[in-house]
Amino acid sequence: SYELTQPPSVSVSPGQTATITCSGRKLGEKYACWYQQRPGQSPMVVIYEDNKRPPGIPGRFSGSNSGDTATLTISGTQATDEADYYCQAWDSTTKVFGGGTRLTVL
Amino acid sequence: QVQLVQSGAELRKPGTSVKVSCKTSGYTFTGSEIHWVRQAAGHGLEWMGWMNPNSGNTGYAYKFQGRVTMTRDTSINTAYMELDSLRFEDTAIYYCTRSGSRSFGPWGQGTQVTVSS
Repeated sequence: SYELTQPPSVSVSPGQTATITCSGRKLGEKYACWYQQRPGQSPMVVIYEDNKRPPGIPGRFSGSNSGDTATLTISGTQATDEADYYCQAWDSTTKVFGGGTRLTVL
Repeated sequence: QVQLVQSGAELRKPGTSVKVSCKTSGYTFTGSEIHWVRQAAGHGLEWMGWMNPNSGNTGYAYKFQGRVTMTRDTSINTAYMELDSLRFEDTAIYYCTRSGSRSFGPWGQGTQVTVSS
């Protein structure tokens, strides 16, 4: 079965850039999306189709996907960005999630 | 706006079944797949499967095949997920969500299912 690997945790200082990676075999040949989940809340998509932002998602969120790695980048990280982030690989048969990364804004 | 509202928390004994509902509004129910995802406490998201509300076709993750059934009632724009032969490890929050643009969203508020003897 297809698997996605994320680092369990990432820490960043306010105003700095946070980078969260997601690795999977030939992930670049699929679409990747990213979800943010704050404690006690349902997940919310922040990046879809590798690098697109839904309406209402701040421009500091960006994504890329190539080779075996998809990356979520948060520029100028704010305290409100502290949350769990999950990547997802998407093709006609695959909807698997990564294990999640806890982003801590110190 | 698009909304998915799920049924309330459930407590079940091992070996029994549970059926969770997901009432949708704000869009054409038959126009988008409904997917189900679960999350055990302190753990990540686990995709369970999908249902096409128009055709009723379904597809289930291998892990849940034979134990999960996803159905719908188009007259009330509601999707259902039934999980049989419950085990302690099925204790989790179960979410419904709509698919679109190769991603999921929005999501229901989640339904806590607790399996306890």
